[in-house]
Amino acid sequence: DAGVIQSPRHEVTEMGQEVTLRCKPISGHNSLFWYRQTMMRGLELLIYFNNNVPIDDSGMPEDRFSAKMPNASFSTLKIQPSEPRDSAVYFCASSPRTSTDTQYFGPGTRLTVL
Amino acid sequence: DQQVKQNSPSLSVQEGRISILNCDYTNSMFDYFLWYKKYPAEGPTFLISISSIKDKNEDGRFTVFLNKSAKHLSLHIVPSQPGDSAVYFCAASEGDTGRRALTFGSGTRLQVQP
Repeated sequence: DAGVIQSPRHEVTEMGQEVTLRCKPISGHNSLFWYRQTMMRGLELLIYFNNNVPIDDSGMPEDRFSAKMPNASFSTLKIQPSEPRDSAVYFCASSPRTSTDTQYFGPGTRLTVL
Repeated sequence: DQQVKQNSPSLSVQEGRISILNCDYTNSMFDYFLWYKKYPAEGPTFLISISSIKDKNEDGRFTVFLNKSAKHLSLHIVPSQPGDSAVYFCAASEGDTGRRALTFGSGTRLQVQP
């Protein structure tokens, strides 16, 4: 199994530009999570999907952030427009069942907004 | 308000000795607890978990202890090896409420000296 795949691994962009992060969960997993890691706030949940439906987006910082999961094998996290304070490592994780379960993380995307 | 706290940002132990990492939580709805290990430039990797109906779970060199009355859990690594050097995150979820997202502590950096 390839594990959770994220792309790109690194992204450097200028303030005001649109950024799209991509995630492919582990095949057969029905829940997908987006987390952000910063020095100040540590690892925090942004949004999670169950069976492609957004369940909890209370962690999404503001309207500049949006996430979609058009099918079971793909999700995107978009920031438009990006700001320097969005600089962080963004992790995607997936989980196999609807009950409490171990989550498997991707390698992360390191985003730098200049 | 940090619901999961790891009060020791770092820990250094000698190879072969025991490493004890601690974690406290405040949310009484948490019923599932996990430990993740994270190497630089990689995503967190699941290590071991424990349900609130248990007070101990063991997997090889790793044992997690849960004290529900004290809202405290700990991870014991015996014997510690240099390859265990990483950042360890404690995480918790409210599985029974249906909210599957993990709440993470801030992490403890473990360094095992050869």
